[in-house]
Amino acid sequence: SQKIEQNSEALNIQEGKTATLTCNYTNYSPAYLQWYRQDPGRGPVFLLLIRENEKEKRKERLKVTFDTTLKQSLFHITASQPADSATYLCALDFSGGGADGLTFGKGTHLIIQP
Amino acid sequence: EPEVTQTPSHQVTQMGQEVILRCVPISNHLYFYWYRQILGQKVEFLVSFYNNEISEKSEIFDDQFSVERPDGSNFTLKIRSTKLEDSAMYFCASSDNRGGETQYFGPGTRLLVL
Repeated sequence: SQKIEQNSEALNIQEGKTATLTCNYTNYSPAYLQWYRQDPGRGPVFLLLIRENEKEKRKERLKVTFDTTLKQSLFHITASQPADSATYLCALDFSGGGADGLTFGKGTHLIIQP
Repeated sequence: EPEVTQTPSHQVTQMGQEVILRCVPISNHLYFYWYRQILGQKVEFLVSFYNNEISEKSEIFDDQFSVERPDGSNFTLKIRSTKLEDSAMYFCASSDNRGGETQYFGPGTRLLVL
């Protein structure tokens, strides 16, 4: 069956450093992969989408890479700030087209320490 | 900026009762979704809806669940006879993209079944 794996243990990073989060998936070749941010008690917020033919995508301090051979995406936050502390979710559409629901990973809880 | 809204924010109900959770998706969006998140667990897809019909549903979305778009703005999730295990945060999402891309989530309804 298809799976998304994220390190769900908390990741502690010093303010100003780069945080790198990993998403691995199995048994699928997705056309794209998405990253969302979730704060406690709130809904996920879309951050970035990267397609299978894109190696890297950037948005301000965020960078996502997508290696379809390794079946892995890396999510980087540069110059991290305490306000970046949240849970970051990787999401895939395993159905392949149409108005399809997303399968989310468990998320990585990121803590940026001042 | 347009937002997905959900009502109520909290709902407490007795086991066996029917509940209706309401959502107002972003106005020009065509694809609508319901997800749930049991406390401490990952976000799980329930159902997607497009062109006034269900596009896809997960195995969680059994006969106890139904969705409706009763008018041009609302999108509802009904749970016919609630069980204790239905206690969760329920998120509505909408998108103007095919294939589940870039979904905008509402703030959620916290459902507690006693």
